[in-house]
Amino acid sequence: SQTIHQWPATLVQPVGSPLSLECTVEGTSNPNLYWYRQAAGRGLQLLFYSVGIGQISSEVPQNLSASRPQDRQFILSSKKLLLSDSGFYLCAWSVPRRFSGANVLTFGAGSRLTVL
Amino acid sequence: SQQGEEDPQALSIQEGENATMNCSYKTSINNLQWYRQNSGRGLVHLILIRSNEREKHSGRLRVTLDTSKKSSSLLITASRAADTASYFCATGPPYGGKLIFGQGTELSVKP
Repeated sequence: SQTIHQWPATLVQPVGSPLSLECTVEGTSNPNLYWYRQAAGRGLQLLFYSVGIGQISSEVPQNLSASRPQDRQFILSSKKLLLSDSGFYLCAWSVPRRFSGANVLTFGAGSRLTVL
Repeated sequence: SQQGEEDPQALSIQEGENATMNCSYKTSINNLQWYRQNSGRGLVHLILIRSNEREKHSGRLRVTLDTSKKSSSLLITASRAADTASYFCATGPPYGGKLIFGQGTELSVKP
């Protein structure tokens, strides 16, 4: 069965410090991978998605970047955090589209980031 | 940008009652999905309904889709305290692009 791991679960960082959130998926090959951010208002904002190694699409201009160094590893980074980067970050994966008619997402447990 | 808009934003009911949440969207879709999120956790997929379907059931869940009105509803029958969570609709566009999530409905079921 497939599992998704996301860490760290909680992070408190000072403004201007770097960030690295990691997500790994097990039990599947070539998944589509996603990073979402959820602010206090509960809605989810898609930040990045990837359909393969080294292939990253950014949805919104921001202070963050994403990388996919391995097939089942997705990393969210920042060189210098801003206060506005605080939020709940969710990694998700889906079956590649050629095998599925619809994108059903499986989410990780989330990473709570507080920037002070 | 947000596509789905859930209504109401918050809903409080007693155990045993039915809970109905609505979702409206703006553009054509291939499918509409509902997800659940317990406080501080990741989202969990509940049910998917395709654009050529009008109604779908899964256990105590009933989803309807009206593409002419661009709306969907999620009905949870005989609710339980454990159903307390936020519920999100998400739309999948026809060309197979990315899911767009709404703002969610926060459901509280009181024992």
